[in-house]
Amino acid sequence: SSELTQDPAVSVALGQTVRITCQGDSLRKFYASWYQQKPGQAPLLVIYAKDNRPSGIPDRFSGSSSGNTASLTITGAQAEDEADYYCKSRVSSAYHWVFGGGTKLTVL
Amino acid sequence: QVQLVQSGAEVKKPGASVKVSCKASGYTFTNYYMHWVRQAPGQGLEWMGFINPSGNSRGYPQKFQGRLTMTRDTSTNTDYMELSSLTSEDTAVYYCARDNSVVDNNGNAGWWFDPWGQGTLVTVSS
Repeated sequence: SSELTQDPAVSVALGQTVRITCQGDSLRKFYASWYQQKPGQAPLLVIYAKDNRPSGIPDRFSGSSSGNTASLTITGAQAEDEADYYCKSRVSSAYHWVFGGGTKLTVL
Repeated sequence: QVQLVQSGAEVKKPGASVKVSCKASGYTFTNYYMHWVRQAPGQGLEWMGFINPSGNSRGYPQKFQGRLTMTRDTSTNTDYMELSSLTSEDTAVYYCARDNSVVDNNGNAGWWFDPWGQGTLVTVSS
């Protein structure tokens, strides 16, 4: 299967920890990357190659992977973290890529 | 700094074609693949395809085969995405994004898109 599955919506209380997951067969072979998108803005890379943060991304963002599931964890969520989050990975059978359906994160 | 700047918004009639440009700066253009991604209003991100560093190879998913063309002008560090036979379902924001990749010490590979262009809104309406 070439699909990546994400929960459509997740909420977290301000300052608490939230995990956003992404499931797919290709994640057994290839690392996921994660993108944050706020309304009216282009996506922004927040995690790449499983658990690496680009410069400028706060260290409250972390990534992990196990089996067919990749996870994005925000430890101590802030109001500015409210956004849509997308995972992405390569498809197993070709040099094609696929995004998960996205998770809308609400910070309460 | 590494930057991708896209062309402006377009309004097209059904059946027409649209060509969006993506001008790169701040890095060696011919060392990197480029991807295109689109996002319909209120929807998620959809990968459209890639072009290789020299511009002589491309990869598109089946749904775009036959009406999507990606080209590269290495003299101006600009990539182009042309989509033909437009319908209302092609109304979307179109993004270019630079490819990056790594193979770690365990032999596991990962690819990521960074940076992204600012997006180009294409509206298809009669």
